[in-house]
Amino acid sequence: GAVVSQHPSRVICKSGTSVKIECRSLDFQATTMFWYRQFPKQSLMLMATSNEGSKATYEQGVEKDKFLINHASLTLSTLTVTSAHPEDSSFYICSARDPAGARGYTFGSGTRLTVV
Amino acid sequence: GENVEQHPSTLSVQEGDSAVIKCTYSDSASNYFPWYKQELGKGPQLIIDIRSNVGEKKDQRIAVTLNKTAKHFSLHITETQPEDSAVYFCAASEQTGANNLFFGTGTRLTVIP
Repeated sequence: GAVVSQHPSRVICKSGTSVKIECRSLDFQATTMFWYRQFPKQSLMLMATSNEGSKATYEQGVEKDKFLINHASLTLSTLTVTSAHPEDSSFYICSARDPAGARGYTFGSGTRLTVV
Repeated sequence: GENVEQHPSTLSVQEGDSAVIKCTYSDSASNYFPWYKQELGKGPQLIIDIRSNVGEKKDQRIAVTLNKTAKHFSLHITETQPEDSAVYFCAASEQTGANNLFFGTGTRLTVIP
């Protein structure tokens, strides 16, 4: 149980375009999901906390207008990188916690974004 | 907020030997301490976790110990195998509501055949 599906796993886009990443909890309802960014050989840095039915909470230094988060249902959160630039290239990972489960936080498989 | 430190950053061991990774945390309110294994290009996978009401937990070749007084916890892998090679992250959280995890900086473990 407690499976989180993240798509796409890899995406290449041109500078100036927008990219949407989806995060789905497959067998549980997640009122809260988390979005992380990971640079090569570094730890996971929390970008924002996604709350179902309300606005996301962004960490300091993360531009809310650039990284749009929508959590419209109890099983789906999306992260849209708007007007992407090469410096946005990174590994993006979502996670969710099953409140009824004992396995803590479950992570998606990550999305490798490359902006050219 | 919480600050999690992790050591060492890299660790090489011979196959069959044990590996130990240590973490410290700063917030005494943290009560949930998971360990994740991350392989190249993949998301972190939970391998073991411990809650603050327990001092030690074991799952086959993997064990975690927690010292709440000293605010440190450790991951122990015995009889290491080449497939244990990966990056390991410790984390801490105050697991009330939907609090996020605070991650350590990671340890790259290499098991030499």
